[in-house]
Amino acid sequence: AQSVTQLGSHVSVSEGALVLLRCNYSSSVPPYLFWYVQYPNQGLQLLLKYTSAATLVKGINGFEAEFKKSETSFHLTKPSAHMSDAAEYFCAVSPRSGANSKLTFGKGITLSVRP
Amino acid sequence: DTGVSQDPRHKITKRGQNVTFRCDPISEHNRLYWYRQTLGQGPEFLTYFQNEAQLEKSRLLSDRFSAERPKGSFSTLEIQRTEQGDSAMYLCASSSQQGESGYTFGSGTRLTVV
Repeated sequence: AQSVTQLGSHVSVSEGALVLLRCNYSSSVPPYLFWYVQYPNQGLQLLLKYTSAATLVKGINGFEAEFKKSETSFHLTKPSAHMSDAAEYFCAVSPRSGANSKLTFGKGITLSVRP
Repeated sequence: DTGVSQDPRHKITKRGQNVTFRCDPISEHNRLYWYRQTLGQGPEFLTYFQNEAQLEKSRLLSDRFSAERPKGSFSTLEIQRTEQGDSAMYLCASSSQQGESGYTFGSGTRLTVV
C-alpha cells in the first residue's frame, strides 16, 4: 500500500523567506506525486505533479518540487514567501498503473507567513 | 468547462436525517472520486467510479453511505441516519483515464450534523 508522510503540522516563515514543506512517500515502485493547496472552506487546487522523467517540477505561484528516488522524497519549495501563500498544503501519491488510481493524501501542513 | 461542481456547499441537518450530495465532474473525465475531510486531516478516500461502475469502496464507507453514478456523468452521495461523526467536508474529484493528468477537485460540501 502507498502512503505519504508530511513531517510537522505547521510551518511559519517570514514574508520573503524560503518556504520548504517536506513530503516522503512509501511505494514499491515510483508513483505519481502531487502537491495540492487548500484555502479555508475551499476545495483542493493542484500546485504541481510529478509523472515523468523530469525530477524537478515547476508549478503555479512560484512553487517547485524535486523528486528524489533515493530519498523517497518530494519536498515543496518556494524561494520567497508571500502573504497569499498562507494555506494548507497536502502531498499526495497515486499508483502509475492499475485499475484504481486513487490519491492517498498526507495529513497536511499549515503554512503561516509573518509580515 | 467550469470544473467540478458540488451541491450544496453547506448542509446542516439534524441527527438521524438523510442527506444527499451531488457532484458534476468535468465532462470528459470518466473517473470520479469521493473523499471525506475532517478538521486538521488530509482527505480520506471513500469511493471511486469509472464511468457508471463503482470499482472500490473504502472501509470508511459504512452501510449508511451509498454512492451512485447512474449514467456515468454526475454522482450522488447519500448518507442515511446521519450521526454527529459524519460532520465533515465531502469532496468530489474527477480525472481522465490516465491519472497522471491530475485530479480536479470541487469546492466540497460541508456537512454539519446537530
